[in-house]
Amino acid sequence: DTGVSQDPRHKITKRGQNVTFRCDPISEHNRLYWYRQTLGQGPEFLTYFQNEAQLEKSRLLSDRFSAERPKGSFSTLEIQRTEQGDSAMYLCASSPSGTGTEAFFGQGTRLTVV
Amino acid sequence: AQSVTQLGSHVSVSEGALVLLRCNYSSSVPPYLFWYVQYPNQGLQLLLKYTSAATLVKGINGFEAEFKKSETSFHLTKPSAHMSDAAEYFCAVSLNTGGFKTIFGAGTRLFVKA
Repeated sequence: DTGVSQDPRHKITKRGQNVTFRCDPISEHNRLYWYRQTLGQGPEFLTYFQNEAQLEKSRLLSDRFSAERPKGSFSTLEIQRTEQGDSAMYLCASSPSGTGTEAFFGQGTRLTVV
Repeated sequence: AQSVTQLGSHVSVSEGALVLLRCNYSSSVPPYLFWYVQYPNQGLQLLLKYTSAATLVKGINGFEAEFKKSETSFHLTKPSAHMSDAAEYFCAVSLNTGGFKTIFGAGTRLFVKA
């Protein structure tokens, strides 16, 4: 078990560019979550997958954001036409099935839009 | 809708002193409650969780929390602070319905003075 892996750890991009982040969950976990965290705040829920199905999206997730989880394994989060307000830490987490199961977090991808 | 309120964005204690971080939750159904710790530029690590078993929950690194339904509280304590406890602490609530997502409080930064 290598834990949740996120790539890249850091990304600097110019405003208007597209970026894509990858998350590899713990292999036996069928639930996968994306969160966004800004400085001094707790993680904010963005979206949730059960296997390959995207079951919930936050209103925070504008049309410029899209997430996929093909084949129910790794997931990608793409941000199109980035804005300075998108600068944040993007956290991925996974959890197994069952009740009261905790989420296991990756180390995050820090995005800076200049 | 469920929510979490952490009282005090910053808490400062002396090394060896009691640590008390406050958390109140709001939930229309019995919740699952968690405390996570985050070190700088890292993901979140689970300290402990409450899943409707014992109301006093023991976690890692000497931390514990008590679930009090009448007060809708889940405060985190540690009898004696260590310098290594300095970090950001997040209280979180999860429901076993809908998206199973975890909702986080805004966090409390713990400072430990020598």
